[in-house]
Amino acid sequence: DGGITQSPKYLFRKEGQNVTLSCEQNLNHDAMYWYRQDPGQGLRLIYYSQIVNDFQKGDIAEGYSVSREKKESFPLTVTSAQKNPTAFYLCASSIGSLIQETQYFGPGTRLLVL
Amino acid sequence: DQQVKQNSPSLSVQEGRISILNCDYTNSMFDYFLWYKKYPAEGPTFLISISSIKDKNEDGRFTVFLNKSAKHLSLHIVPSQPGDSAVYFCAARRRGFGNEKLTFGTGTRLTIIP
Repeated sequence: DGGITQSPKYLFRKEGQNVTLSCEQNLNHDAMYWYRQDPGQGLRLIYYSQIVNDFQKGDIAEGYSVSREKKESFPLTVTSAQKNPTAFYLCASSIGSLIQETQYFGPGTRLLVL
Repeated sequence: DQQVKQNSPSLSVQEGRISILNCDYTNSMFDYFLWYKKYPAEGPTFLISISSIKDKNEDGRFTVFLNKSAKHLSLHIVPSQPGDSAVYFCAARRRGFGNEKLTFGTGTRLTIIP
């Protein structure tokens, strides 16, 4: 089955700790994205990657880092510099980054701070 | 500054009737609009889109209307079915950009009453 997987479903972070959220796709898509969703707000773009070994900051990149070493994988690290990390994180991919190329979303990871 | 607004957090509609979900935007540079549907514990899935050169787009039971002068779009679902119960997000893209410049609304939770 083709699709996007995110793990874990729930993640707990202690103060000062870095945590990494996994995103894997087997759709052979070039473009991948990370979004954050907070209650009462729309999805906001954290980082995106249009091709392997390249990525760009989105609207709210501070406190986050990413890598894109493989086409299938786009992990997101929430660093200790992110002061308000509690949120629902969604990963998406598309064939390319053109608007008519539909984004496919993973099921999401909920990050909670202990 | 919320450039894409969905002012109704929730909506309940009787099965078989029409569901109308509304979305307002403020940025006149938006030229492409999308609707996504999200079930609990799943990622959003693309539903329907419309370009600013059109005022209506239909796909089966789903029709999106765009009123550029009012900066308003709406999603009509006719007839509504129990499986339509979900959260619906509208999104808008700035002219000249791709998926990396999508602005999402806050979502409307639609409940279809059997």
